[in-house]
Amino acid sequence: AQSVTQPDIHITVSEGASLELRCNYSYGATPYLFWYVQSPGQGLQLLLKYFSGDTLVQGIKGFEAEFKRSQSSFNLRKPSVHWSDAAEYFCAVLQAGTALIFGKGTTLSVSS
Amino acid sequence: DTGVSQNPRHKITKRGQNVTFRCDPISEHNRLYWYRQTLGQGPEFLTYFQNEAQLEKSRLLSDRFSAERPKGSFSTLEIQRTEQGDSAMYLCASSLERTDRTYNEQFFGPGTRLTVL
Repeated sequence: AQSVTQPDIHITVSEGASLELRCNYSYGATPYLFWYVQSPGQGLQLLLKYFSGDTLVQGIKGFEAEFKRSQSSFNLRKPSVHWSDAAEYFCAVLQAGTALIFGKGTTLSVSS
Repeated sequence: DTGVSQNPRHKITKRGQNVTFRCDPISEHNRLYWYRQTLGQGPEFLTYFQNEAQLEKSRLLSDRFSAERPKGSFSTLEIQRTEQGDSAMYLCASSLERTDRTYNEQFFGPGTRLTVL
């Protein structure tokens, strides 16, 4: 069965510092991969997605992610974090073209 | 506002009561999904509809849960005889499946938070 692992439950980063959130997936074929962000009281918002092609994908809000098949990873990065980036981040893989399988999430705190 | 809306946003109920949640998808979207999110977990897929047809149900969807989308527009999720373990955020999402079957983004609503006392 497909699964997604986000090894870090909580990360704290200083404002202006770089960020990397880790995601590992288990999937037999070429995966469709996603990163979502969830702020308190808000729905999940799609940051970026990977289907095929260029393994470095750009998303909204200055985020990017790199698909590495050899490592079964899809890590999310941002070069300079803003206080407004504090939220919960979820990595997900698409199962059978319908259901999204999510990781448990990483909570990002931003310190000033 | 043309996003996915869910009502109510919060529901507190006593164990054993029935509850019903409503989801209004983005108007032209033909797919509608329900997910459940418990504290400290990512969302878990429950079921989805293509127009009015319920095409897939997760094993998480026990017999006490029923979902409908009678006219292919809004959907309701009912939980009968609620249990404390049903306390969670229930998320709805919608998407547009085109004839070429390319995957399209699922847009999520803000969720309904259920607390069972």
